[in-house]
Amino acid sequence: AQTVTQSQPEMSVQEAETVTLSCTYDTSESDYYLFWYKQPPSRQMILVIRQEAYKQQNATENRFSVNFQKAAKSFSLKISDSQLGDAAMYFCAYRSSNQGGKLIFGQGTELSVKP
Amino acid sequence: GAVVSQHPSRVICKSGTSVKIECRSLDFQATTMFWYRQFPKQSLMLMATSNEGSKATYEQGVEKDKFLINHASLTLSTLTVTSAHPEDSSFYICSAVKGPSNSPLHFGNGTRLTVT
Repeated sequence: AQTVTQSQPEMSVQEAETVTLSCTYDTSESDYYLFWYKQPPSRQMILVIRQEAYKQQNATENRFSVNFQKAAKSFSLKISDSQLGDAAMYFCAYRSSNQGGKLIFGQGTELSVKP
Repeated sequence: GAVVSQHPSRVICKSGTSVKIECRSLDFQATTMFWYRQFPKQSLMLMATSNEGSKATYEQGVEKDKFLINHASLTLSTLTVTSAHPEDSSFYICSAVKGPSNSPLHFGNGTRLTVT
């Protein structure tokens, strides 16, 4: 079975600074998808960024980028120029290309942004 | 586009009663819907995968007779918590996907269930 591990329960960053959230996963599959989701206090799940395992190039979305290391099974999220609105729970997630495509989440990292 | 509506957003029920939560894809047909449960300050735990017209696939440890899932159409899945107990109090979130595994998941806004 696949597992996703986020070893940082909480992180803090100064406004305008850069922060990196860690995520590792375990799988025997070669084809899969990785995601970072943001969950603000409203509890709405917001997709931040996604990465296809077959792509070597790291995904980027404006201030958000990932460092995808397939061999190491690592998928970290970098947030540049942090803003107060970035404060939220961040979940790393793994999605199989089969098994119905279910999404497995890590434990989450609570990010706070200091003004 | 790709809106998922979940209803109700909050529900309080008495112990022993049953509660139904609806998950609707408003502008697309969802081939698969997923039901998650989230306790405070914890992650989303997958409860079951629901495909239209077939029985739901439950994750290990989830009681299928307690958490009844029905996916009657391509736009509606329901989760019924039967004989609810206070320990069933939680945040329940559904998500829907159209198409193959590389299609994005769209999440509902969740339902906060409180059992008194």
